[in-house]
Amino acid sequence: QLQLQESGPGLVKPSETLSLTCTVSGASITHSDYYWGWLRQSPGMGLEWIANIHYTAGTYYNPSLQSRVTISMDTSKKQFSLRLNSVTAADTAVYYCAREYGANLVSWGQGIKVIVST
Amino acid sequence: EIVLTQSPAILSVSPGETATLSCRASQIIASNLAWYQQRPGQAPRLLIYGASTRATGIPDRFSGSGSGTDYTLTISSLQSEDFALYYCQQYSIWPPYTFGQGTKLDMK
Repeated sequence: QLQLQESGPGLVKPSETLSLTCTVSGASITHSDYYWGWLRQSPGMGLEWIANIHYTAGTYYNPSLQSRVTISMDTSKKQFSLRLNSVTAADTAVYYCAREYGANLVSWGQGIKVIVST
Repeated sequence: EIVLTQSPAILSVSPGETATLSCRASQIIASNLAWYQQRPGQAPRLLIYGASTRATGIPDRFSGSGSGTDYTLTISSLQSEDFALYYCQQYSIWPPYTFGQGTKLDMK
C-alpha cells in the first residue's frame, strides 16, 4: 500500500531556504505512469500546486513560484524533495507531497506544517 | 492561469438529503476537472476525475457532471462523514494545476 511521508523543519526563518523531503513506500517511484508533486495549503491562498517531477520526463513548476523553487528526486532512496528559497511569512502553510496519475492527485501524504518566522 | 470559482462558499444540508456543489472555470476546460474532499486535519482525497468518473473506492452517492466551463458535484443521501470541505481542480491548461477556493458542506 502506497504511503507518502513528508519530513523537514517545521520552522524556517525569513529569507532562508525551506527544504522538505517526501519518502515513498509501497510503490515504485520510477513507475512511468506517475508524476510526484508538491502542494501547499494556507488559509489565505487555499490549495496551491507548487511543482511535480517524473523520473525521466522532467519537472514542471508553478510559474508564480518557479524563480524560487527546485524539485528533485533520489530514486535510490525513493524520495523526492522540494527547496523553496527566500521564504517569507506568505510561505507559511501545510505542505503536502502527492502522487499524480493523469494530472489527478490520487495519493497524498499527511502534510507537514511549516511556519516562517524569526 | 485558469481561475475556478466554487459556489456556494458554505452549503447547509440535512443528513439524508442531496447536496449540489458548483465549480465554474474562467475558460473552457473540456472536462479536465477533478473533485476532492477534505475532512478536518486530513489531506484532500480524490473523489471524481474527468468531471464524472469516480475514483477507486468512492461510493456511488458521489457523482460529477458538467462540460465547458460549468461543473457540478452532487452528493446524494448525505451521511455524517460527507460533511467536509470540497475542492475542484482543473488540469486542462497547466502548469499550474489550479483549485477552487472550496465549498464547506455543513450539517443543517
